[in-house]
Amino acid sequence: LAKTTQPISMDSYEGQEVNITCSHNNIATNDYITWYQQFPSQGPRFIIQGYKTKVTNEVASLFIPADRKSSTLSLPRVSLSDTAVYYCLVGDGGGADGLTFGKGTHLIIQP
Amino acid sequence: AAGVIQSPRHLIKEKRETATLKCYPIPRHDTVYWYQQGPGQDPQFLISFYEKMQSDKGSIPDRFSAQQFSDYHSELNMSSLELGDSALYFCASSFGLVGQETQYFGPGTRLLVL
Repeated sequence: LAKTTQPISMDSYEGQEVNITCSHNNIATNDYITWYQQFPSQGPRFIIQGYKTKVTNEVASLFIPADRKSSTLSLPRVSLSDTAVYYCLVGDGGGADGLTFGKGTHLIIQP
Repeated sequence: AAGVIQSPRHLIKEKRETATLKCYPIPRHDTVYWYQQGPGQDPQFLISFYEKMQSDKGSIPDRFSAQQFSDYHSELNMSSLELGDSALYFCASSFGLVGQETQYFGPGTRLLVL
């Protein structure tokens, strides 16, 4: 499984756009990039997934450059409720494989 | 929409006791995953089942066993509990074996071993 590297923590303010970058230098051809969000004492929640270029949904955008060795999760206009741990995961997801959570990014949003 | 149900939500046990955690997947989901998250740690994958058969195995201790039943619910059995087993245990479910299926996590069972 491709290893991922993310910042340990980030701070921002309400209303700002937050970008969290994840490095995955040895990503395989079949691998997708998936981001999960986790609040304290709650189960992780799927945010967004992509393979290449840009993916956007109602909560976030995911930017993936052509070499796919990194990806950036973009959260527009964050609020205090976006304070959470964000995990970047890389894998092909087949065969009911378990997810490998690395060290996520603790995002703290201040008023 | 229906979510993953886990029971109990909280459990207190003593060392060397046994515990059974239950997981009810989202309706029509046929794949179940178990994760363990210790205090201040990231979730660690334990084991998964697809159509009642073990599919993938992670860092599940030999003292733990799990199974998936005909109604797709799953149980994680933990024996000879140790202090270090105190953690949040999450169950997740998904549908099928198609690559990149999203896993939906339950609220977790908080186990405290005294």
